[in-house]
Amino acid sequence: TQLLEQSPQFLSIQEGENLTVYCNSSSVFSSLQWYRQEPGEGPVLLVTVVTGGEVKKLKRLTFQFGDARKDSSLHITAAQPGDTGLYLCAGAGGTSYGKLTFGQGTILTVHP
Amino acid sequence: DTEVTQTPKHLVMGMTNKKSLKCEQHMGHRAMYWYKQKAKKPPELMFVYSYEKLSINESVPSRFSPECPNSSLLNLHLHALQPEDSALYLCASSQVQGAVTGELFFGEGSRLTVL
Repeated sequence: TQLLEQSPQFLSIQEGENLTVYCNSSSVFSSLQWYRQEPGEGPVLLVTVVTGGEVKKLKRLTFQFGDARKDSSLHITAAQPGDTGLYLCAGAGGTSYGKLTFGQGTILTVHP
Repeated sequence: DTEVTQTPKHLVMGMTNKKSLKCEQHMGHRAMYWYKQKAKKPPELMFVYSYEKLSINESVPSRFSPECPNSSLLNLHLHALQPEDSALYLCASSQVQGAVTGELFFGEGSRLTVL
């Protein structure tokens, strides 16, 4: 069974601070996805990283896929209250064919 | 149109009731999924349909019965549920099952409460 260890589980910060969320595994994934889920909504895809070492930027969010395709990170610069939500990493491929392996999630709260 | 639509948004049922959750997508996706999500936890996969055939059943109790009438619709029939089945039930779709990128498009979910 593939596992994705996501940390931290909870993050409470002030507006303007920076933060990083990590997703680690001993397994290789074909791709790694990051989703954000707001209360009362379903998860929404933020980005997919496919190539080892890949870095993608989405405004204040920077996503990185590890060289060995076993880990990923999400960095948010100058967090805003609108960034509040549950962040989920999810791995595709590997031994769990046909389904995503989700990390445990990071609940981010950004205080004004 | 990039939406996955789920109905109802909220459902309260007794342990002896029979109800159904419905999901619809018009993106031409050929894989559809049911997930169960407890508060502040990641979604847990229940079922996957690929080209309208059941592809994965994650050992879900038989009181949950999925159905895929056509490529756009996915139902989850509920019968004799337990209070611990109370959760947010998410439907999702993807172009195909098992693609390298495997991006999922989720609905807003059906919030189920079992009394």
